[in-house]
Amino acid sequence: SQKIEQNSEALNIQEGKTATLTCNYTNYSPAYLQWYRQDPGRGPVFLLLIRENEKEKRKERLKVTFDTTLKQSLFHITASQPADSATYLCALGDNTNAGKSTFGDGTTLTVKP
Amino acid sequence: DAMVIQNPRYQVTQFGKPVTLSCSQTLNHNVMYWYQQKSSQAPKLLFHYYDKDFNNEADTPDNFQSRRPNTSFCFLDIRSPGLGDAAMYLCATSRVGRGTDTQYFGPGTRLTVL
Repeated sequence: SQKIEQNSEALNIQEGKTATLTCNYTNYSPAYLQWYRQDPGRGPVFLLLIRENEKEKRKERLKVTFDTTLKQSLFHITASQPADSATYLCALGDNTNAGKSTFGDGTTLTVKP
Repeated sequence: DAMVIQNPRYQVTQFGKPVTLSCSQTLNHNVMYWYQQKSSQAPKLLFHYYDKDFNNEADTPDNFQSRRPNTSFCFLDIRSPGLGDAAMYLCATSRVGRGTDTQYFGPGTRLTVL
């Protein structure tokens, strides 16, 4: 069955450092992968999308890589700030399923000042 | 500007008492989704509408129903809520077919079942 694993439920880092979050998947061939941010009691907010034929995407302090051979995506936040503290969800999408995405459980990032 | 609106934000119901959650969107997106999310878990897709076509996930209980009377509105009906149905319910939309498939989520409705 399809499985998505995001690294450790919680990640604590010091302000200014780079946070690296991992999303691994099995029994899946996604056409694209998305990263969302979710704050407590709120809905997820889209951050970045990367397609299967793309290796890397950047947006401001965010960088996403996608390795379809390793079946892994890495999500980096450089120069992290306390305001980056949130839960980050990866979601795998398949072009044949009307935009449906399968979400991971998320990694909760805490950036300490 | 609110794009995906969910009402109410908090809903308390009694065991077995039907409840309806609502979602509206100003994005004119063709697809609307309903997710159930429990604490520290992934959002779990219940069903989605692709235009007027209803698509139920195989493991969504019959207790959950949905209606989409027009492009802008979608409702989630829980016919007989059980204690296990207490969760955050998220509505999302997307413009499928334009190559992005990004989902835009509402703020969610927190359902409590007493």
